[in-house]
Amino acid sequence: SAVISQKPSRDICQRGTSLTIQCQVDSQVTMMFWYRQQPGQSLTLIATANQGSEATYESGFVIDKFPISRPNLTFSTLTVSNMSPEDSSIYLCSASRGSITGELFFGEGSRLTVL
Amino acid sequence: SQQGEEDPQALSIQEGENATMNCSYKTSINNLQWYRQNSGRGLVHLILIRSNEREKHSGRLRVTLDTSKKSSSLLITASRAADTASYFCATDARSGSRLTFGEGTQLTVNP
Repeated sequence: SAVISQKPSRDICQRGTSLTIQCQVDSQVTMMFWYRQQPGQSLTLIATANQGSEATYESGFVIDKFPISRPNLTFSTLTVSNMSPEDSSIYLCSASRGSITGELFFGEGSRLTVL
Repeated sequence: SQQGEEDPQALSIQEGENATMNCSYKTSINNLQWYRQNSGRGLVHLILIRSNEREKHSGRLRVTLDTSKKSSSLLITASRAADTASYFCATDARSGSRLTFGEGTQLTVNP
């Protein structure tokens, strides 16, 4: 297994500001992903964080709004830019040691509220 | 559209009873996974069943997969209050490159 630490765990932000979420894995992993989850709902994949190159974004998500970094095999950041109340959600970091569709390990999530 | 759909959306049972949750999907898959999410926490992987498997056990969990019906079930036997959580299925379509999560079943086990 892998232990994933995410911070902040929660934050309240003002409209128009940006927030960066950090994700640290306790061991090297092959794949890292960022998901968004509205409370009580399913998960939506935002992007795959690629080490040393640009992230791969899913339909409906763009780099200008959700810039992602992955400088090494154990660390990634997700920035939510120019936030609006619609960005209020839980953002989850996850990782896999195998394929892109293998078993995933998750962080505890970052709950963002945008006022 | 969402690959996995689960039912029921919510399930409330008494401790000691069995809980069964179902997941249906639309396209052919390589594998199907089940995850648990406690309130306010991240997801925890429970079990993975491959498309060529029909049944798999892990402790009190039993997962079945019927590829002809494109459905899976998760059975939790002798439930405990600590099993209270949301349960999600996740599938990887053979033509896809990502896991797609279902809407989840909220299980409440009353002591």
